[in-house]
Amino acid sequence: KNEVEQSPQNLTAQEGEFITINCSYSVGISALHWLQQHPGGGIVSLFMLSSGKKKHGRLIATINIQEKHSSLHITASHPRDSAVYICAVRIQGAQKLVFGQGTRLTINP
Amino acid sequence: ETGVTQSPTHLIKTRGQQVTLRCSSQSGHNTVSWYQQALGQGPQFIFQYYREEENGRGNFPPRFSGLQFPNYSSELNVNALELDDSALYLCASRGFGTPSSILTFGAGSRLTVL
Repeated sequence: KNEVEQSPQNLTAQEGEFITINCSYSVGISALHWLQQHPGGGIVSLFMLSSGKKKHGRLIATINIQEKHSSLHITASHPRDSAVYICAVRIQGAQKLVFGQGTRLTINP
Repeated sequence: ETGVTQSPTHLIKTRGQQVTLRCSSQSGHNTVSWYQQALGQGPQFIFQYYREEENGRGNFPPRFSGLQFPNYSSELNVNALELDDSALYLCASRGFGTPSSILTFGAGSRLTVL
């Protein structure tokens, strides 16, 4: 079993829909990152969380440390949001970053 | 525009050869980490350097090695290349211990081993 699991693996939605991507992890962590990767490889860091909730524009990220779970929400989704979204956790007491397998999001006009 | 630059962007090597990939960290960032991303997979942590010393390593063999220079730029070296080394290699920098240690990624170097 992977230390970081994301769901769903693939998600297709219509423009304007509310999107939720989930991340569960099984290890102690010091931080959790949400990343966005567009075709061609470039990765953009969206959020880093250690507790609570963060919001940036139409993106909201939450984390529940007790349940070892995080969610990334996109409100009023747009085709330009189409990308792979990756959850990554920094293992507590270590420098290692462990990544989920990613969620491929496609937003159709 | 990203503050982390990687070179080369693409390269092709043959089995058994050696490769050096380069990464210039974002200004003010003293920690750099390298990742291997095979096609369709999430990135895998290779190692991390802080102030020119390796301070974390993933499950990669010793033929994967690195360097960090005084200006915090970094190299990833892979010896005795194998077909399975074909992947996108990403580096990321951050300021160690800063309150919000956001990672800044480079665009990656895509290595093909024939």
